[in-house]
Amino acid sequence: DSGVTQTPKHLITATGQRVTLRCSPRSGDLSVYWYQQSLDQGLQFLIHYYNGEERAKGNILERFSAQQFPDLHSELNLSSLELGDSALYFCASSVDPVSEQYFGPGTRLTVT
Amino acid sequence: AQTVTQSQPEMSVQEAETVTLSCTYDTSESDYYLFWYKQPPSRQMILVIRQEAYKQQNATENRFSVNFQKAAKSFSLKISDSQLGDAAMYFCAYRSAKKGAQKLVFGQGTRLTINP
Repeated sequence: DSGVTQTPKHLITATGQRVTLRCSPRSGDLSVYWYQQSLDQGLQFLIHYYNGEERAKGNILERFSAQQFPDLHSELNLSSLELGDSALYFCASSVDPVSEQYFGPGTRLTVT
Repeated sequence: AQTVTQSQPEMSVQEAETVTLSCTYDTSESDYYLFWYKQPPSRQMILVIRQEAYKQQNATENRFSVNFQKAAKSFSLKISDSQLGDAAMYFCAYRSAKKGAQKLVFGQGTRLTINP
């Protein structure tokens, strides 16, 4: 157990819908990262937050947004969902941007 | 942009034997970190080992060790005394040391099978 929690574990929804994925970092970690793992794209970085501020963006679609709250938990919002958004979404956390990243168990999103 | 390549989609090894997983990367930076992550069937991503580019000494964690060749941009993982629990996908990952660039860049993974 890495200490990073993600909810829900599984999510099944229809095209066009909006979902929110939640991540709680390890105690004391200020950095939160979101990654997407899909069969065709592999593991891809989406976005990084440090202590509530956005630090870096990857190939994150405009339909996707994220935020980190004062209690350091983070949410990834996915809207206007398409079939191709079906993937495993990981959250990772680290004490600071230069330390190891520890991954949560992931949220499996299925868009039908 | 940095890229990571794992040229072996699948590998298999007999239990108790040694196996080496290959990884090459491309970067113009001199300061960076390299990692191996393990993803068992549970899908959890587990950090196996980490190597700082400025360190010449290869990292070791129990039965796991790396062969880091900076000039060749090669970073292989050796698993000694393979165990059934080592069966998983293994991902090589690169991370820049530059401020604001701490994302992990992953290879495509190598699926390791352990034969009893």
